[in-house]
Amino acid sequence: GNSVTQMEGPVTLSEEAFLTINCTYTATGYPSLFWYVQYPGEGLQLLLKATKADDKGSNKGFEATYRKETTSFHLEKGSVQVSDSAVYFCALNSDNLFFGTGTRLTVIP
Amino acid sequence: KAGVTQTPRYLIKTRGQQVTLSCSPISGHRSVSWYQQTPGQGLQFLFEYFSETQRNKGNFPGRFSGRQFSNSRSEMNVSTLELGDSALYLCASSVFKGGTYEQYFGPGTRLTVT
Repeated sequence: GNSVTQMEGPVTLSEEAFLTINCTYTATGYPSLFWYVQYPGEGLQLLLKATKADDKGSNKGFEATYRKETTSFHLEKGSVQVSDSAVYFCALNSDNLFFGTGTRLTVIP
Repeated sequence: KAGVTQTPRYLIKTRGQQVTLSCSPISGHRSVSWYQQTPGQGLQFLFEYFSETQRNKGNFPGRFSGRQFSNSRSEMNVSTLELGDSALYLCASSVFKGGTYEQYFGPGTRLTVT
């Protein structure tokens, strides 16, 4: 079946620190992979995506690479800002979206 | 383009009642999906509609139903509400872009069942 496992958190970082949120998946076939972000009181926003092995998705300084050999799609950012504080969800698309449990990130000044 | 809109944003109902939630997709998007978000179960897929037909369904009881209209607007209905139905209900419309379907979410309807 399809499933996504991601680092649970919460994660607290100082501003300008390096961020990694781990995500691994189990899927039949070759799904597309996504990272979504949810700010307090809002719905989910698509952050980035990758559709095939070795693809790198990037947006707003965030990056993630589709690694088929390790079935992973880890999210990284070189220098986080306070405004990045949110909950991050890894997801795969197979007929519908399957989400991880979410990782709450808090960035302190 | 306007984003996905959901109404109402907040709703309080009593056990045993029924509720209808509404979703208007991004203009031109023909697919609408619904998700339930709770602290315990996370984000779970309810169903997807495309051109007024249910194309995919998650593992929820028959009390949860939906429909889509010819203008792609969608409604979901929950009958005989239970306390456990308290959740954020998210609607997403999707479009094929860059080799895959991208889903764009609305702000959600926060349902509280007392």
